[in-house]
Amino acid sequence: DAGVIQSPRHEVTEMGQEVTLRCKPISGHNSLFWYRQTMMRGLELLIYFNNNVPIDDSGMPEDRFSAKMPNASFSTLKIQPSEPRDSAVYFCASSFVAGGTPGNTIYFGEGSWLTVV
Amino acid sequence: GQQVMQIPQYQHVQEGEDFTTYCNSSTTLSNIQWYKQRPGGHPVFLIQLVKSGEVKKQKRLTFQFGEAKKNSSLHITATQTTDVGTYFCALTAYVGGTSYGKLTFGQGTILTVHP
Repeated sequence: DAGVIQSPRHEVTEMGQEVTLRCKPISGHNSLFWYRQTMMRGLELLIYFNNNVPIDDSGMPEDRFSAKMPNASFSTLKIQPSEPRDSAVYFCASSFVAGGTPGNTIYFGEGSWLTVV
Repeated sequence: GQQVMQIPQYQHVQEGEDFTTYCNSSTTLSNIQWYKQRPGGHPVFLIQLVKSGEVKKQKRLTFQFGEAKKNSSLHITATQTTDVGTYFCALTAYVGGTSYGKLTFGQGTILTVHP
């Protein structure tokens, strides 16, 4: 069974360039999450979707960040323009959320390692 | 939103020593999950605790949920080099009483095991 698939795995880009990170969640999962991890700030939730609808984007740091989920099997996180402080590992994760269930397991992709120079 | 304090931030042990990490919340939790992230890897689900006072074991790992459901611990007996990584606790977050699956992660405890 395929897990959460992210691309690219590694990206080095110059400041000012647009960066697009892609994610394919586990088939059948109805919630999708974008996390950012840095040494300084730990694991931060940027935005999450339920049934393709953005539920909470309060973690998105600035207007330079945007995320979309056009269908149940694909999501993108875009940074435009990118800055050196955006350098981090970006994780996409998915989960199946059933009403009334006390908690649910989140499955993470392997991450996209972004370096902005 | 709900916050959780995880301690210690770092722990260095000799192989064979025990290790414990703690998560504490000021509010009562519906459940708590634990994840492990190996160096260079991604967080991987270990276990979920739901009941007050619950204790679960996975080989050398023992997970506990406090009686008041405000704290939890992960204890590793006789650490091995394969235990190296960051251990996170995570809480279910609710939006207007509904869980959409969002988890709030603790800061993590970075475990180093010296052979």
